[in-house]
Amino acid sequence: AQSVTQLGSHVSVSEGALVLLRCNYSSSVPPYLFWYVQYPNQGLQLLLKYTSAATLVKGINGFEAEFKKSETSFHLTKPSAHMSDAAEYFCAVSPEPSGSRLTFGEGTQLTVNP
Amino acid sequence: DAGVTQSPTHLIKTRGQHVTLRCSPISGHKSVSWYQQVLGQGPQFIFQYYEKEERGRGNFPDRFSARQFPNYSSELNVNALLLGDSALYLCASSPRTGPWWGYTFGSGTRLTVV
Repeated sequence: AQSVTQLGSHVSVSEGALVLLRCNYSSSVPPYLFWYVQYPNQGLQLLLKYTSAATLVKGINGFEAEFKKSETSFHLTKPSAHMSDAAEYFCAVSPEPSGSRLTFGEGTQLTVNP
Repeated sequence: DAGVTQSPTHLIKTRGQHVTLRCSPISGHKSVSWYQQVLGQGPQFIFQYYEKEERGRGNFPDRFSARQFPNYSSELNVNALLLGDSALYLCASSPRTGPWWGYTFGSGTRLTVV
């Protein structure tokens, strides 16, 4: 079964610093990968998804992720953190485009310090 | 344009009771998926419905059931509630089956079982 592992349940950065949230996947076939963000008391919002067309994927709010097959990773980055980026971030995998489900990681809580 | 609407937003139930959660998808979306998010964990897939047919079922007991109506709204039913059923229940709609086509999540129903 496909799965994702998010390294670090809590990440703390200063405002303006680089954000790096780690995600590794376990899949025997090329996966379809996603990053979602969840703000307090809200549902999840899609940040970006891996299409296999390009290894570097750009998403909303200045976030991007790089697919590295050799490392089975799909880490999320943002060059400069903003206070509004404080939220919980989830990496997720789907076995195929028409698959019925997403399998989520445990999540990483991002704190941005002034 | 209205997003995904879930009702109620919060509710408290007693062990052994039954609960019904409701979801109205975005207009034009024919697929509804349900996820359970226990505090501190990532969401877990429960069901997906597309065109009123079940297209996927997660690893949940038979106490959990769902259905989709002709207007594509959906209900999630949980019987014989246990303390461990306390969670945020998220509904996601998409125009077609599968998360690839773009999940839009509702804000969820917070269920507390006492």
